[in-house]
Amino acid sequence: DSGVTQTPKHLITATGQRVTLRCSPRSGDLSVYWYQQSLDQGLQFLIHYYNGEERAKGNILERFSAQQFPDLHSELNLSSLELGDSALYFCASSPTGNVNTEAFFGQGTRLTVV
Amino acid sequence: QQQVKQSPQSLIVQKGGISIINCAYENTAFDYFPWYQQFPGKGPALLIAIRPDVSEKKEGRFTISFNKSAKQFSLHIMDSQPGDSATYFCAASRGGNGGATNKLIFGTGTLLAVQP
Repeated sequence: DSGVTQTPKHLITATGQRVTLRCSPRSGDLSVYWYQQSLDQGLQFLIHYYNGEERAKGNILERFSAQQFPDLHSELNLSSLELGDSALYFCASSPTGNVNTEAFFGQGTRLTVV
Repeated sequence: QQQVKQSPQSLIVQKGGISIINCAYENTAFDYFPWYQQFPGKGPALLIAIRPDVSEKKEGRFTISFNKSAKQFSLHIMDSQPGDSATYFCAASRGGNGGATNKLIFGTGTLLAVQP
């Protein structure tokens, strides 16, 4: 168990809908990273938050947004969902803002858009 | 320049054999090269990592070989066991406390199957 909690584990929703994925980092970790994992794209970095502030953006669509709250948990909001958004979404946490440290991954949220 | 290319896509090894997975990168600013292991239904977990000031790092049966001039690094799993069957991802990043270029870039993964 990595200590990172993601909810829900599975999510099935229709095209055009909006969903929120939640991540609770390990106790004491200030950084949260979001990744999308699909069969054809591998692990794609979406966004990095450190202590409530956005630090880096990757290939995150404009329909997606994220935030990190004062208690350090993070939410990834996906809107106007399309079939191609079906994927595993992982969050990871680390103690500092430096990306050159071990990232601890949650078990992921499997999103299926139908 | 941000890509990390990983090969092979899949690998079948006999128990006791050596598994070798290769990665190549383009960005010479990368200074951290981890390998993550992922079992089905689980998130990736750090296996071993290397920084470019050394050419090799060994932890138990797992060894990273790093060739800075060729911009390549590889994972060697000695005495491979069925329990090593998983997907392995190489990755690379440039250190720092966030910023446009401070991202962990993953390879596309290698599915390893170790046959008993």
